[in-house]
Amino acid sequence: SQQGEEDPQALSIQEGENATMNCSYKTSINNLQWYRQNSGRGLVHLILIRSNEREKHSGRLRVTLDTSKKSSSLLITASRAADTASYFCATAPVTDKLIFGTGTRLQVFP
Amino acid sequence: ETGVTQTPRHLVMGMTNKKSLKCEQHLGHNAMYWYKQSAKKPLELMFVYNFKEQTENNSVPSRFSPECPNSSHLFLHLHTLQPEDSALYLCASSPVLAGGTGREQFFGPGTRLTVL
Repeated sequence: SQQGEEDPQALSIQEGENATMNCSYKTSINNLQWYRQNSGRGLVHLILIRSNEREKHSGRLRVTLDTSKKSSSLLITASRAADTASYFCATAPVTDKLIFGTGTRLQVFP
Repeated sequence: ETGVTQTPRHLVMGMTNKKSLKCEQHLGHNAMYWYKQSAKKPLELMFVYNFKEQTENNSVPSRFSPECPNSSHLFLHLHTLQPEDSALYLCASSPVLAGGTGREQFFGPGTRLTVL
């Protein structure tokens, strides 16, 4: 299987609820990035966390990284309908490539 | 907008056609990428260019031919494609090669390609 795998594949919640997405990977990494993609559009960078960091915040986003478990989570607090999108983690091993997973499709209902 | 533009946004072509996808970035970046996105599959890296030189060809069939005339422009030339090549083709750029350098990639909106 690929380097980054997101879980769950799909998530449906109501506005105001929190959404948590997880990413697992296999090899050592330099950093891990989260991207968002609205339907049929390009990806937009959300946040980057380095291998020596455990948690990072950006607005309503909170990312954690556990290198011992080779996993990361993205938490979106107080979700809005506009957060409806696919979310991808991208891992950066000690090469120059980013390796993307299959993504989590988030649906936020008003 | 991310500063990366792609044309056309939609393309329908027959298997015998020849067409080209264009990507342009206005960010002064030195690295550019082509990705293929198919339904329910991870984003597939196809080609990487760094300072106009190809640094990665991820075992892409020769019916896809990239061209990078300068650091701002990237083309993907298509010929004798197969129906399974239908996908969203995304272009991206970064200041330097992304990945271990901790740099993010900036993506264009993509070209939706349908091969009949």
